[in-house]
Amino acid sequence: AQSVTQLDSQVPVFEEAPVELRCNYSSSVSVYLFWYVQYPNQGLQLLLKYLSGSTLVKGINGFEAEFNKSQTSFHLRKPSVHISDTAEYFCAVTTGAGNNRKLIWGLGTSLAVNP
Amino acid sequence: KAGVTQTPRYLIKTRGQQVTLSCSPISGHRSVSWYQQTPGQGLQFLFEYFSETQRNKGNFPGRFSGRQFSNSRSEMNVSTLELGDSALYLCASSLAPFPEGIHGYTFGSGTRLTVV
Repeated sequence: AQSVTQLDSQVPVFEEAPVELRCNYSSSVSVYLFWYVQYPNQGLQLLLKYLSGSTLVKGINGFEAEFNKSQTSFHLRKPSVHISDTAEYFCAVTTGAGNNRKLIWGLGTSLAVNP
Repeated sequence: KAGVTQTPRYLIKTRGQQVTLSCSPISGHRSVSWYQQTPGQGLQFLFEYFSETQRNKGNFPGRFSGRQFSNSRSEMNVSTLELGDSALYLCASSLAPFPEGIHGYTFGSGTRLTVV
């Protein structure tokens, strides 16, 4: 079955340190990939997306992600995090084709930025 | 422009009762998707409506139903509530239905349902 795995459920990090949130997926067909962020008591906000083209995608708030087709990964990175980046981060992947296309979500990674 | 509005924000219900949640999409958006979010299961797709028609449905029991009105506002209903229905219910609106619409999903802040 197609799946999305966010390898870390929780990531603690100090302010101004770099961070990488990992996402792997299983799919044998072309995919679209997304990262969403959810701040406490709020809905999900799109951080960035990969549809085609350059495998390095830049998003809002200084985040970027790299699509690696051979490793079926789409890891999210930020070179220097702020306290305000504390939130839940979700990776999502569309898999399948045509009418069988589905949107699969990871279980989320909780990023805690400490002073 | 106004975002996606979900009402109410919080709700407490008793087992066996029914509940109706509302979602008003961004103006001009005709697609509304509903998700259930729980800590253990993450985001689970409930259903999607586009132009008043249900286009897709997730693996939820028939107690979960929805509809969409001509102004694109959507409601979801859960009958005979169970403790396991406690969750954050999110709706997302977009111009086009899935999969095209996924490029422009906008989520509401959700309705937190607690069943006691």
